[in-house]
Amino acid sequence: EVHLVESGGDLVQPGGSLRLSCTASGVSVSSYYMSWVRQAPGKGLEWVSVIYIGDNTYNADSVRGRFTTSRDNSKNTVYLQMNSLRVEDTAMYYCAGDPDSSSCFSSWGQGTLVTVSA
Amino acid sequence: QSALTQPRSVSGSPGQSVTISCTGTSSDVGGFNYVSWYQHHPGRAPKLMIYEVTKRPSGVPDRFSGSKSGNTASLTISGLQADDEADYYCYSYADSFTWVFGGGTKLTVL
Repeated sequence: EVHLVESGGDLVQPGGSLRLSCTASGVSVSSYYMSWVRQAPGKGLEWVSVIYIGDNTYNADSVRGRFTTSRDNSKNTVYLQMNSLRVEDTAMYYCAGDPDSSSCFSSWGQGTLVTVSA
Repeated sequence: QSALTQPRSVSGSPGQSVTISCTGTSSDVGGFNYVSWYQHHPGRAPKLMIYEVTKRPSGVPDRFSGSKSGNTASLTISGLQADDEADYYCYSYADSFTWVFGGGTKLTVL
């Protein structure tokens, strides 16, 4: 069974940085298309970024230039480095993925909460 | 990327059928067969219900079905049950290696 666990969420000031981790068990992240999805309080789901099996990464316009996704296969972990954080980045951040496609998410973590506030 | 358009809410009685629409453009929903649907109970991780427009993952009841016509995708839930009450989101490829969710629809089982 695939199990994804996010960590690293915290309270941070605007302009600050934070790194989220998504550690997998039951699967190798190197063989998964992995994405980050967020949900701001009272809002819907928003796609943030994806890392392909070949390590290419793509980001939503709202985070491009500020967020970077990477993968450490030796730790079976995917990371989301978030810089220049804004109040509007406040959200629950989920990692999600699929072994066969970047077009859907068959596995999800439980999320980690990021709060950006002065 | 602009969010795909979904109705804010739909409702139905147990045993009835409901359909949730997801409207985009020819650059996303209409241009690719990469629409998926997710059920999200508050406080829980979202769950994949439909992928590639019409395909159902193993374990998802056949009461859930997906379709697409032009720039609008749809999720139909037949034989409504109390546990179907949740938020539902569509998701689509939106060109240039970006992706977009719908705004979400709250399903109420009366």
